Amino acid sequence: GDSVTQMEGPVTLSEEAFLTINCTYTATGYPSLFWYVQYPGEGLQLLLKATKADDKGSNKGFEATYRKETTSFHLEKGSVQVSDSAVYFCALSDQHNFNKFYFGSGTKLNVKP
Amino acid sequence: EPEVTQTPSHQVTQMGQEVILRCVPISNHLYFYWYRQILGQKVEFLVSFYNNEISEKSEIFDDQFSVERPDGSNFTLKIRSTKLEDSAMYFCASSEGDSNQPQHFGDGTRLSIL
Repeated sequence: GDSVTQMEGPVTLSEEAFLTINCTYTATGYPSLFWYVQYPGEGLQLLLKATKADDKGSNKGFEATYRKETTSFHLEKGSVQVSDSAVYFCALSDQHNFNKFYFGSGTKLNVKP
Repeated sequence: EPEVTQTPSHQVTQMGQEVILRCVPISNHLYFYWYRQILGQKVEFLVSFYNNEISEKSEIFDDQFSVERPDGSNFTLKIRSTKLEDSAMYFCASSEGDSNQPQHFGDGTRLSIL
């Protein structure tokens, strides 16, 4: 079945450091891929998305490229800020079953000043 | 920007009692969902709802759970006889429906079962 695997956290970085959070997926078709962010005490907010292979999603300095050959959608940011501290979830929606999102387990990011 | 709203933000209930969690999805969205997140764990799919009926449900969504769209705006999740292990954050989401479209989430209801 479909699934998403994320690197385990927490990830602790200093401000202005480079961020990578790995995400790989398993899907039977051609899913759309998403990154969601959850700030403390809040719900899930869409960060970025990519709907087909080689698409790059970007928002607020974050980027992720849909890599079909490696079934990956790694999240990157060149220079993190303290305000980026949150839990990041990778997710996919299956074109054959678009009613359902599959979420990764989440990666907590702590950015220190 | 339109958003999904959930009420209450925190619900405390005695074990065995019924609880109803409420959601108002984004008005032009057609698909509605409930998810659960037990503290410190991943977000788990519960159920999806389209055209006034359940389109898919997970193994978590057993006979104790039900969903309803009682009017044109609300989307509710009912747990008939709550158990301690039902304690979690419950998130409602809605989408336009196409798999390319993201799901928009509410801020969640924290359900605490005593």
